[in-house]
Amino acid sequence: ETGVTQSPTHLIKTRGQQVTLRCSSQSGHNTVSWYQQALGQGPQFIFQYYREEENGRGNFPPRFSGLQFPNYSSELNVNALELDDSALYLCASSLAGSSGYTFGSGTRLTVV
Amino acid sequence: AQSVSQHNHHVILSEAASLELGCNYSYGGTVNLFWYVQYPGQHLQLLLKYFSGDPLVKGIKGFEAEFIKSKFSFNLRKPSVQWSDTAEYFCAVINTGRRALTFGSGTRLQVQP
Repeated sequence: ETGVTQSPTHLIKTRGQQVTLRCSSQSGHNTVSWYQQALGQGPQFIFQYYREEENGRGNFPPRFSGLQFPNYSSELNVNALELDDSALYLCASSLAGSSGYTFGSGTRLTVV
Repeated sequence: AQSVSQHNHHVILSEAASLELGCNYSYGGTVNLFWYVQYPGQHLQLLLKYFSGDPLVKGIKGFEAEFIKSKFSFNLRKPSVQWSDTAEYFCAVINTGRRALTFGSGTRLQVQP
């Protein structure tokens, strides 16, 4: 069974730029969630996608958006990057209705 | 809104010492509870989870946790830690109506040989 893979592993962007992070779900999982983990903090829920639609969102502004594709892979897009967006972004996949989450290793985003 | 508090931010122990990490959550309804571990440079891994039934839950690598509903607590324990247990530990909760895990701020455990 394959796990959750995220790309890229590290990324440096300039304030004001846009970024796209990618996630491939674990085989058999149909739901993808994204989390932001700032340094020294626990992961914070950004949003979740199921059947290619957002079906839950945390306290993040609209410049954080996402997509889920028919193969259940997903993208996280962040527009107008701010310095505070520097963090580890985690993707987690699961099967709808279950509480079994598999996390990827994350993308470390640095905004300068 | 639900929240999770982890009281110990940084714990330093010697090998073979016993471990207990505190976790309290605030939510009055039915919850599922988790402990995750994050080894340096690795992804979050599930140590154990509680959904219902026996409040004493056993997980991987000799870890266990006890759910005390009256105290809204889910403390993690291990009788004898090893150097390889050095990692960050996160308590998390999800209520049955939501779709997202709420994590605590984590406890960094450092085990000295």
